Amino acid sequence: DMQMTQSPSSLPASVGDRVTITCRASQIINNYLNWYQQKPGKAPKLLIFSTSNLQSGVPSRFSGSGSGTEFTLTISSLQPEDFATYYCQQSYITPGTFGQGTKLEI
Amino acid sequence: QVQLQESGPGLVRPSQTLSLTCTVSGGSISSGGYYWNWIRQRPGKGLEWIGYIYDIGSTYYNPSLKSRVTVSMDTSKNQFSLKLRSGTAADTAVYFCAGGARRAYLFDFWGPGTLVTVSS
Repeated sequence: DMQMTQSPSSLPASVGDRVTITCRASQIINNYLNWYQQKPGKAPKLLIFSTSNLQSGVPSRFSGSGSGTEFTLTISSLQPEDFATYYCQQSYITPGTFGQGTKLEI
Repeated sequence: QVQLQESGPGLVRPSQTLSLTCTVSGGSISSGGYYWNWIRQRPGKGLEWIGYIYDIGSTYYNPSLKSRVTVSMDTSKNQFSLKLRSGTAADTAVYFCAGGARRAYLFDFWGPGTLVTVSS
């Protein structure tokens, strides 16, 4: 089974910080790596698809990169509304596995 | 803009079938080219894809749940549904319906989710 491993699990940060979250796949996923943001009590929201493509309406302070099995999500300057949990997810093969999440906290 | 809304019982008895419906608004479920998915999030756990129905009836399920899951579509009501048989406490979760057009396992839009508890 494909495994997706995120690090760190939690990340203390402050408004204005530049933060990076890493996601590692257990096998090559041909850049079919997506990032979602989830706030408490809400559904996840697609931020980035296929490694580096910003979903419509998502602020440009979010960016994604990577290849092979290692990928990153970067937020260039944290805003108060960015404190949430972030999930990576592969859309290369069944069952579209998610990472365990990274909680961005003050 | 397509919007989704889950509905169904919030409490299911053990060994019974969990049944949920997702109502689609702002678009026709029968227009084709969309993957209509069910995803769940168990308490304190991550997200788990359950299955999808594509176009007008092709289905695909998570191998770990395949023996208990059915996803179906009712085009007359613009809805798709989930049935998960033989429920156990391990099926207690928030269940989301989600859709996407670009690729399987890419979830562009989501319903708000509904909590289902399996308990006697």
